[in-house]
Amino acid sequence: DAGVTQSPTHLIKTRGQQVTLRCSPKSGHDTVSWYQQALGQGPQFIFQYYEEEERQRGNFPDRFSGHQFPNYSSELNVNALLLGDSALYLCASSLFRGAQETQYFGPGTRLLVL
Amino acid sequence: DAKTTQPTSMDCAEGRAANLPCNHSTISGNEYVYWYRQIHSQGPQYIIHGLKNNETNEMASLIITEDRKSSTLILPHATLRDTAVYYCIVRVPQAAYKYIFGTGTRLKVLA
Repeated sequence: DAGVTQSPTHLIKTRGQQVTLRCSPKSGHDTVSWYQQALGQGPQFIFQYYEEEERQRGNFPDRFSGHQFPNYSSELNVNALLLGDSALYLCASSLFRGAQETQYFGPGTRLLVL
Repeated sequence: DAKTTQPTSMDCAEGRAANLPCNHSTISGNEYVYWYRQIHSQGPQYIIHGLKNNETNEMASLIITEDRKSSTLILPHATLRDTAVYYCIVRVPQAAYKYIFGTGTRLKVLA
């Protein structure tokens, strides 16, 4: 049973460019969350998708957008990249069960913005 | 934003039990305590979670105090591969869909 997979593993972009990161959830999971982790910090919640809708959003600007497909996979898009967007981007999948929902994380995509 | 407090770092001798404390004094009655660990910038790995009873699985044990204001994650026989940052997370009911990570405890297992 494959766990959460993310692509690409590493990415280098320049300021002002746009980037798309991809995530395939663990088999049987219907919910995908995205997190940003800057160096030396804990992961910060960006947003969560369930039934192809954004269910909740963290404190991130509109430059960060996402999408969930019918097969539950998801994309994170970041427009107009800034140097400060350099981080490890983590995808987590879960099966929604309210307060007991357990999220399983992928290996992450490391984005470097020059 | 984090509702948990953890020591910044801890050392543990290989083969000994590692006891990682977490304070969550403002926890509400329906909030679960979750533990994850992150090994050198890999994705966080789920360890265990609990509500009020002690829990044990193949990785660790979770001891939650009776008043639920604190908990301890126990790795019974720490190995070098347990060196990681350990995060204690409380699910916030009004934001039930996200985890709020603090800065975690950096555990170093010493040979």
